[in-house]
Amino acid sequence: DTGVSQDPRHKITKRGQNVTFRCDPISEHNRLYWYRQTLGQGPEFLTYFQNEAQLEKSRLLSDRFSAERPKGSFSTLEIQRTEQGDSAMYLCASSLVIGVSEQFFGPGTRLTVL
Amino acid sequence: RKEVEQDPGPFNVPEGATVAFNCTYSNSASQSFFWYRQDCRKEPKLLMSVYSSGNEDGRFTAQLNRASQYISLLIRDSKLSDSATYLCAVNSRGSNYKLTFGKGTLLTVNP
Repeated sequence: DTGVSQDPRHKITKRGQNVTFRCDPISEHNRLYWYRQTLGQGPEFLTYFQNEAQLEKSRLLSDRFSAERPKGSFSTLEIQRTEQGDSAMYLCASSLVIGVSEQFFGPGTRLTVL
Repeated sequence: RKEVEQDPGPFNVPEGATVAFNCTYSNSASQSFFWYRQDCRKEPKLLMSVYSSGNEDGRFTAQLNRASQYISLLIRDSKLSDSATYLCAVNSRGSNYKLTFGKGTLLTVNP
């Protein structure tokens, strides 16, 4: 499968715990995005990488959230001291630099904070 | 006003019907436009990019009206398998190409 992959697919955690999610983009894509989606809403942008550089972070991304993309390949999103309001689907997408920049999404990580 | 707004739905149509969704955007600098399809508890899947001249892919037709700042999606001869949430998305010049999505419109095609 050459699409975007994410791990884990589901994560249940207790409030206050730290969680980390991983995204592997399509191999030739150098743009990588993280989005968050809650029930009844469209995905909302969290952060963007071009290669290994994190070029933009949304105001939604509090200081409890951190993302990395070492070596411009896979990316990780860490949430520290999780809160119940962090419960959502976390989606990763990737795209090429050139052209219309169509973004392709991974299957997402569904986070439940108890 | 939200940056991207869609018909609230839901839409319930019989098989074979034609159904149209509209989406308006507020940022005149919006540059690229997309329709995604999302099945329940799954990721959005790209359905179509929307070009200025309009584009068609089988039973699906997308149109862009820059003057009125809206995009549309027409589904002809709808199938049961078209049942899903349809999301429109836009990105803007200078926005690092991040997508801004509408809330989505739920379509149910009934036998």
